[in-house]
Amino acid sequence: KAGVTQTPRYLIKTRGQQVTLSCSPISGHRSVSWYQQTPGQGLQFLFEYFSETQRNKGNFPGRFSGRQFSNSRSEMNVSTLELGDSALYLCASTQGIAGGSETQYFGPGTRLLVL
Amino acid sequence: AQTVTQSQPEMSVQEAETVTLSCTYDTSESDYYLFWYKQPPSRQMILVIRQEAYKQQNATENRFSVNFQKAAKSFSLKISDSQLGDAAMYFCAYRTLNSGNTPLVFGKGTRLSVIA
Repeated sequence: KAGVTQTPRYLIKTRGQQVTLSCSPISGHRSVSWYQQTPGQGLQFLFEYFSETQRNKGNFPGRFSGRQFSNSRSEMNVSTLELGDSALYLCASTQGIAGGSETQYFGPGTRLLVL
Repeated sequence: AQTVTQSQPEMSVQEAETVTLSCTYDTSESDYYLFWYKQPPSRQMILVIRQEAYKQQNATENRFSVNFQKAAKSFSLKISDSQLGDAAMYFCAYRTLNSGNTPLVFGKGTRLSVIA
């Protein structure tokens, strides 16, 4: 089975622009979670989607949004980019709802640089 | 809110030796899961080992084992017979036992170097 894939792998944007990142989960997985990884804050949870519905949301401003499609692929969007949005964005998929002992399988990440 | 603390930003170990990475967490819950994830340079993060809080027996996966001290809220990872491929960032993570969807809460990581 193919693993979690994320596109693009690298992205450079300027302040004020918007960006859309894509995540394709492992085949058969229905949940996708997004995390932001920075050297200062570490890994922080953004949101989780299951069956096209947002099930949980982290403490991020409304500029961060996402969605999930019927094939479980997910996109996250960041509008009005700020320098502090520079980070590695990771997505992770699980077969069911991401809870308990469910193993989350991570993608390679999208590295976003905001200039 | 739960927090996870990894007090060692960086560690190093000689090849074939044993190293222990520390992790403490804060929670008021009695049932939860703990995880260690490994993130090699420029590669995907993978699960190394997991521990259910209601199990007293420490989890073991080949050369990786944990020392779970529930009362002390401590969850350290021991890597035996270290190999060059063990060099990576290691993240300790916590998740509540709730059946609903709950995110992982991560520590800030420990960068492990393996010296040949």
